[in-house]
Amino acid sequence: ETGVTQTPRHLVMGMTNKKSLKCEQHLGHNAMYWYKQSAKKPLELMFVYNFKEQTENNSVPSRFSPECPNSSHLFLHLHTLQPEDSALYLCASSLAGAATEQYFGPGTRLTVT
Amino acid sequence: GENVEQHPSTLSVQEGDSAVIKCTYSDSASNYFPWYKQELGKGPQLIIDIRSNVGEKKDQRIAVTLNKTAKHFSLHITETQPEDSAVYFCAAFRSRGSEKLVFGKGTKLTVNP
Repeated sequence: ETGVTQTPRHLVMGMTNKKSLKCEQHLGHNAMYWYKQSAKKPLELMFVYNFKEQTENNSVPSRFSPECPNSSHLFLHLHTLQPEDSALYLCASSLAGAATEQYFGPGTRLTVT
Repeated sequence: GENVEQHPSTLSVQEGDSAVIKCTYSDSASNYFPWYKQELGKGPQLIIDIRSNVGEKKDQRIAVTLNKTAKHFSLHITETQPEDSAVYFCAAFRSRGSEKLVFGKGTKLTVNP
């Protein structure tokens, strides 16, 4: 148990659907991250929040919309996705910035049909 | 920007043997190098990290070495066990401009009993 939970664990959605991924951390951390993990590719950082403020948007298409209502919760809102967006979406948190240990959740396996 | 190359992509060893995974980075300003282990169905978990002010760090059967001049760092696992089988990722923290971890593509390690 890493202290970072993600729901749902699996999600299948059509290209016209709207869905949201949820991440929650119980570690008292101040930074939260969304990563995309695709086969044969490095983990790709998508968004970073520090103290609820977005500090990184790594050129992510607008069909992905993050939300961080407080330091413990992070959402990723999805709409009009493409099949190439199918991947494992990982949430992570760290006490401070990216140069401190990041704790990852188990991920949401997303399939876009 | 930072680029991290990781080799090999797959590695198979016999139980008890040593395993070595190597990474190179491009940005000389990078100063933090973590290694993550990802087991099937789980998110990555930090196993060891090293900062640029030291050349080697050891934790039981795991060690990491860093050569700043050559811009490469390596993970060494001794006396491998079947439970070491997983995908291992190296990463480099780029503190110049956008602060983020840049990951390698991963090495799938299989330890055969």
